[in-house]
Order: sequence, then C-alpha cells, then structure tokens
Amino acid sequence: DGGITQSPKYLFRKEGQNVTLSCEQNLNHDAMYWYRQDPGQGLRLIYYSQIVNDFQKGDIAEGYSVSREKKESFPLTVTSAQKNPTAFYLCASTGTANSGANVLTFGAGSRLTVL
Amino acid sequence: GEDVEQSLFLSVREGDSSVINCTYTDSSSTYLYWYKQEPGAGLQLLTYIFSNMDMKQDQRLTVLLNKKDKHLSLRIADTQTGDSAIYFCAESPNNAGNMLTFGGGTRLMVKP
Repeated sequence: DGGITQSPKYLFRKEGQNVTLSCEQNLNHDAMYWYRQDPGQGLRLIYYSQIVNDFQKGDIAEGYSVSREKKESFPLTVTSAQKNPTAFYLCASTGTANSGANVLTFGAGSRLTVL
Repeated sequence: GEDVEQSLFLSVREGDSSVINCTYTDSSSTYLYWYKQEPGAGLQLLTYIFSNMDMKQDQRLTVLLNKKDKHLSLRIADTQTGDSAIYFCAESPNNAGNMLTFGGGTRLMVKP
C-alpha cells in the first residue's frame, strides 16, 4: 500500500543534541512538507519541498534543517539551536486529486521529547 | 494574510448530530478541506469541497459552504464515540500553489 512512513515514532533527546526525523513516501508525490504540532494547537509549517534538490522555509524554520536528495525522502533535523523542540512532528506529501484538489497525505507522526 | 479560525472544543452525546464550524479569510480559496486527527496519529482527509459548491454530502458527513460569509461547516450525523477526534479545516488559496493553511482544530468529544 502507498503511504508515508515516519520514524522513529518516539524520540528522546538531551539538550544540545541534534536529532534527525525520517520521512519516506512511496506515493510518487513531488511536494513534501514538515509540520510541527504543539498540544492543543494547530499545525505550523516548518519546511517544504516542491521538487527534488529544492526546499523552502515555512513559518517556523529557525532551528531546523532539511534535505531533499531523493523524491521519496525528506528528513528533518532538529538542531540544538531550536529553543523549544518538544513537539509532535508531522510529515506530509501532496498529490492532486482528479478534481484538481490538493490532497495532503500525512504520516503517523514523530513525538520528540527533550529531557 | 490567510487566517483560518475554529472553535476549540465541542461536546455531544452519542447519536446526536455534531456541527463543527470554521471561518476563513482568503476569498481566493479554490478548495476547502476537513481533516480528522485521532490521538497520537497523523491527519486523515475526510472530505473537501470546491469553492463554487454550496454543499457536499458523503454518508454521515455534510459540508456546507457560505462563500459570502467565508464560513465552512462540517455536520456529522448520528455521531459515534469513534468520531471523537480533532477536526481541522484547511483552505487552499488560489495564489499559494499546493500549500494549505490549517485552522487550529476543534476537539470533538462524544459522550456515551
């Protein structure tokens, strides 16, 4: 079945460490996204990539980095510069429905906790 | 800029109808979406509506769009405990390519 796989599901990090969250899709989607979700809040866009080898900052990119070397993969690194990294991170990709609607498909998420 | 607003919380009894409301500001939005998020999981697309439509029905779900007032609603008929989740509306502004702007989500609690 096609879908988006995020790993790890849960991750614990000490302050000052960088961590990388994996996102892989087999949907043949060109565009991929990383969102951050805090308790009781909506989704905030961190980075997005419309095509391989290209990516753009979202609304809250500071302290994060990404790469897009392959169409299927869009890993997110949470660096030590991110002041409050504890959150739920969601990866998504976009396919276009036959109607023309931009349908986002989400992974199951990765929960990062800084100790 | 774009802004999508939702109420934070809704509580209903099992078997009743639920109505979740959303307002948006970008009149150029071509599509509007409803997503569902169960605890600890990603978001799942429930349904979407094209901006030139007033209503869309899909089994227990009815979406109503008032484009003049920029108001979107999701009605769930015969609400079940399995419908307890967070519901997000999202818009797709015409000038934003394939980007979506999400509301803050409405937590629906269904009491037995």
